[in-house]
Amino acid sequence: KAGVTQTPRYLIKTRGQQVTLSCSPISGHRSVSWYQQTPGQGLQFLFEYFSETQRNKGNFPGRFSGRQFSNSRSEMNVSTLELGDSALYLCASSLMGRDTEAFFGQGTRLTVV
Amino acid sequence: GESVGLHLPTLSVQEGDNSIINCAYSNSASDYFIWYKQESGKGPQFIIDIRSNMDKRQGQRVTVLLNKTVKHLSLQIAATQPGDSAVYFCAEIGYGSGNTGKLIFGQGTTLQVKP
Repeated sequence: KAGVTQTPRYLIKTRGQQVTLSCSPISGHRSVSWYQQTPGQGLQFLFEYFSETQRNKGNFPGRFSGRQFSNSRSEMNVSTLELGDSALYLCASSLMGRDTEAFFGQGTRLTVV
Repeated sequence: GESVGLHLPTLSVQEGDNSIINCAYSNSASDYFIWYKQESGKGPQFIIDIRSNMDKRQGQRVTVLLNKTVKHLSLQIAATQPGDSAVYFCAEIGYGSGNTGKLIFGQGTTLQVKP
């Protein structure tokens, strides 16, 4: 069974640009959550999608958005990039998104210069 | 607010010894807890989970203990190996629709295994 796949693995962007990250969950999993990981803030919840609907959202500005497709694949978008957006962005997939095992991808390392 | 914290940022153990990594949580309504291991350059890897109706769960070389009275979670690793060197995170999910898909993570404990 394939794991969670995130693309691309690495990205370098300039301030003010926008970026789209992709996540393919484990087959059969309907919930995809996104997290930002930085040395200072640790792992912070961004949002969760379930059956193409955003079901939960963390405390991030509106520049951070996402969506989920009918095949459960998810994308997150960050517009008007700031230097502080440099981080490892992780997605996690689970069957139902609540009290079921959540599995992470390897992440996308975003560097904003 | 909610927080999940680990007692020690770094734990150094001798190869072959047992390791115990601790975690304190503040939300008494949390009902599901997970331990993750994260190696450098990789995403968090699921180790073991436990639900609030249990106080102990065992896996291969790992045991998780949950003490709801003092809101404490621990991960025990038996016969620690060099490959166990990583950052360990505890995470929780609580009740309520606002908690779907939202894992609250502690800051992490770095486990260093000395040969």
